[in-house]
Amino acid sequence: DIQMTQSPPSLSASLGDKVTITCQASQNINKYIAWYQQKPGKAPRLFIRYTSTLESGTPSRFSGSGSGRDYSFSISNVESEDIASYYCLQYVNLPYTFGAGTKLELK
Amino acid sequence: QVQLKESGPGLVQPSQTLSLTCTVSGFSLTSYDVHWVRQPPGKGLEWMGGIWGDGSTAYNSALKSRLSISRDTSKSQVFLKMNSLQTEDTAIYFCTRSGYGGYSDYWGQGVMVTVSS
Repeated sequence: DIQMTQSPPSLSASLGDKVTITCQASQNINKYIAWYQQKPGKAPRLFIRYTSTLESGTPSRFSGSGSGRDYSFSISNVESEDIASYYCLQYVNLPYTFGAGTKLELK
Repeated sequence: QVQLKESGPGLVQPSQTLSLTCTVSGFSLTSYDVHWVRQPPGKGLEWMGGIWGDGSTAYNSALKSRLSISRDTSKSQVFLKMNSLQTEDTAIYFCTRSGYGGYSDYWGQGVMVTVSS
């Protein structure tokens, strides 16, 4: 199974900051990574698929990049509505696997 | 529009079997895959398994021996059955639709399952 090492586990940011979350796969995942946002008490929401393709409705301040084993997810100009947990998912090989998550908090 | 809704018992006794139903609308089970994802309280997401449009299934390696996913296309329902439940199986269970490629693009609201005597 592919392991997804996501960091940091938590992140503290001020409004307007740029933040970056990373996921490292245990093997090459050929850009088949998705990123989800989850707010308390809600189901996760797909934000980015295939490394950098924004889903409809995802604000342009969100972006993704990477290749091979290393991927990142960034938010430029953090807004209050971005306070949530974020998860990466590899979907190149079964079984699919999530990263452990990153909780974004306001400083 | 695309909708998924999980249903099932909120409480299951240890060592018993969990049975959940995911009822979908707005898409065909023969054209899209449905996955199950769970989340223990305060913890992260775990991909459990899925059933593909062609009816084939795949499971999380750690759950494979206890888990079964099936469907009834005429009723637009997907079923999860997991046996030998323990307290660590206490979680919110989500069913999701998988888009073209494997990522989940639509999620149900989730159903909380507590394993306790």
